[in-house]
Amino acid sequence: DGGITQSPKYLFRKEGQNVTLSCEQNLNHDAMYWYRQDPGQGLRLIYYSQIVNDFQKGDIAEGYSVSREKKESFPLTVTSAQKNPTAFYLCASSGRISTDTQYFGPGTRLTVL
Amino acid sequence: GIQVEQSPPDLILQEGANSTLRCNFSDSVNNLQWFHQNPWGQLINLFYIPSGTKQNGRLSATTVATERYSLLYISSSQTTDSGVYFCAVVVRRALTFGSGTRLQVQP
Repeated sequence: DGGITQSPKYLFRKEGQNVTLSCEQNLNHDAMYWYRQDPGQGLRLIYYSQIVNDFQKGDIAEGYSVSREKKESFPLTVTSAQKNPTAFYLCASSGRISTDTQYFGPGTRLTVL
Repeated sequence: GIQVEQSPPDLILQEGANSTLRCNFSDSVNNLQWFHQNPWGQLINLFYIPSGTKQNGRLSATTVATERYSLLYISSSQTTDSGVYFCAVVVRRALTFGSGTRLQVQP
């Protein structure tokens, strides 16, 4: 089946630890995105990538890092520098940036203990 | 940056009722999408509609780009329609989301 997968579904982290969230797509999409959702709010853009080996900061990139070594994979690392990382993280992809429909994965819920 | 405002913020309906959700945006856009977020958090694509009108079953959407608004119509609502409805727009890069309309359909 074509789609976007994210893992893990739930993640618990101790303060001071870095964690990496996985996002994989088999839709052959060039563009991939990471968004963060806090309770009762809309999504906000963390990072996006238009093509392999290229990525750009979004509106709330501080404390996060990404890589795009393969077309189908766009992992997000939440570093210890992120002051309030507890949130719901959603990955998306689209054929082209800005003009094509974005499709979303099921999300990862991160809780800092 | 672009501002996206959705109304109403909350809506309670009886099963079978119709509703209209509104999305206003502050600038010209390349892309506008409507999503339904289910209770498990999954974002489900409803419409890709930067302009014009589309229909899919009991749902339809209209975007008037020149007046910078979009409407989502839900007819004959069902309890499974409950959840949060988001409008999101693109100016240059990725989606900017509104804060959503939380819909509760009661049996």
